[in-house]
Amino acid sequence: KQEVTQIPAALSVPEGENLVLNCSFTDSAIYNLQWFRQDPGKGLTSLLLIQSSQREQTSGRLNASLDKSSGRSTLYIAASQPGDSATYLCAVRRTTSGTYKYIFGTGTRLKVLA
Amino acid sequence: DAGVTQSPTHLIKTRGQQVTLRCSPKSGHDTVSWYQQALGQGPQFIFQYYEEEERQRGNFPDRFSGHQFPNYSSELNVNALLLGDSALYLCASSLVLTDTEAFFGQGTRLTVV
Repeated sequence: KQEVTQIPAALSVPEGENLVLNCSFTDSAIYNLQWFRQDPGKGLTSLLLIQSSQREQTSGRLNASLDKSSGRSTLYIAASQPGDSATYLCAVRRTTSGTYKYIFGTGTRLKVLA
Repeated sequence: DAGVTQSPTHLIKTRGQQVTLRCSPKSGHDTVSWYQQALGQGPQFIFQYYEEEERQRGNFPDRFSGHQFPNYSSELNVNALLLGDSALYLCASSLVLTDTEAFFGQGTRLTVV
């Protein structure tokens, strides 16, 4: 059974710091891995998607890496800003009988202090 | 493009009642999945609909049921509501033939009192 774990559960940093969020998964047979941002009480905003054949993806100040063999992904946020404060969710997508579904971690709650 | 839209945004129901949540997929998408997100947890897969049929179901009781219409929109129905059904319900849409990622709506916050 696929399980996704995110460490740390919460993080508080001063503005300007570079930070790393970690995600681990137990089964390497994934279709892709995706990082989402969620503001309180809101839906999910996709940040980065990494296909299983890729090693990393970058978007602006965000960089996500994927190591399938070790079952790990990291989300790197450069020069953090108060507007980055949110919960960050990692999800792996896998297929079962042709149906794709996401399996999510419990998230990392990030607070960036001004 | 309106993206994935869900209605209503908030809902308060009493234990034992029934509720229907609605989802309109992103334009061009034909597959709808529903997720339940309890407070402080990651979303959990409920079920997925394609061609008006339930394709796969997560570990949820039969009180949770759904429907997909010919225009690809979908409903999630929950009967005999329990306090533990209080959660954010998220709808995600995708296109089955090029299924690289799904797009999520803003969710419906259900509170059962």
